[in-house]
Amino acid sequence: KAGVTQTPRYLIKTRGQQVTLSCSPISGHRSVSWYQQTPGQGLQFLFEYFSETQRNKGNFPGRFSGRQFSNSRSEMNVSTLELGDSALYLCASSLGQGGSEAFFGQGTRLTVV
Amino acid sequence: AQKVTQAQTEISVVEKEDVTLDCVYETRDTTYYLFWYKQPPSGELVFLIRRNSFDEQNEISGRYSWNFQKSTSSFNFTITASQVVDSAVYFCALSEIRSYNTDKLIFGTGTRLQVFP
Repeated sequence: KAGVTQTPRYLIKTRGQQVTLSCSPISGHRSVSWYQQTPGQGLQFLFEYFSETQRNKGNFPGRFSGRQFSNSRSEMNVSTLELGDSALYLCASSLGQGGSEAFFGQGTRLTVV
Repeated sequence: AQKVTQAQTEISVVEKEDVTLDCVYETRDTTYYLFWYKQPPSGELVFLIRRNSFDEQNEISGRYSWNFQKSTSSFNFTITASQVVDSAVYFCALSEIRSYNTDKLIFGTGTRLQVFP
C-alpha cells in the first residue's frame, strides 16, 4: 500500500512569509502527527490530529498551526516565518490507538532566507 | 518527566563488527511503548521496532536485536555483523499512553552510526 506522502519536498521562503505543508497518510490511518527536526533541537513534536481534531500539541508558538480533513489528509501552516523555522518537517501516519506504530513521510525541507 | 537519552552521539565501526546503541528513558507512566527508528541520508524515518512496557522479552530480527530492561529503564539496540548499509542516524523514542490516547513520540537525540568498509 502507498506510504506517507509529503508535499512539497523542498521550499525556500523569505522571512515574514507564510507556508503550508501537506501530508497524505497511509490509507486507514486516522492520526497524523507533525515533527520539526533541526540540528540544534533534534526531533520535536508539533501536534497530532485524530479524526479532524487536534488532540495533542507541543511547545511551539501560535504561528504554527494545522488541520486535518475528513479524508485524514493534514496540512500544517507556519505564518510570519523566521530564520529559525528552517528545518525538516516530518509527518507521521498512524492508527491513532495510543502508542501505534508511526510511519513517516520523507519530509519537507523548509529554508527561510 | 518524560525523556529519552541517547548518550552516544556518534559511533564508527568497521564492517562486520557488532555495535550496540544505548537508549535510556524516563517516564512516570506504567503503560508506554518504546520504538527504534532509522534515518538514512534521504531523511525519512524508518520504523524498526515497537515494544510495550509489559513485554520485556528480547527480540531478534535478522542481524538486529533489542534488549529491553525495565529495571534500568533501557532499551538497547544491537546490530550484529554491521554492514555499510547500516550507516544512518538511529533514534529511540517513547510513547506514553496512560494519560490519554495519543501516538505522540518523544525522541532521543539520535546516534549517528558510520560503518566503514
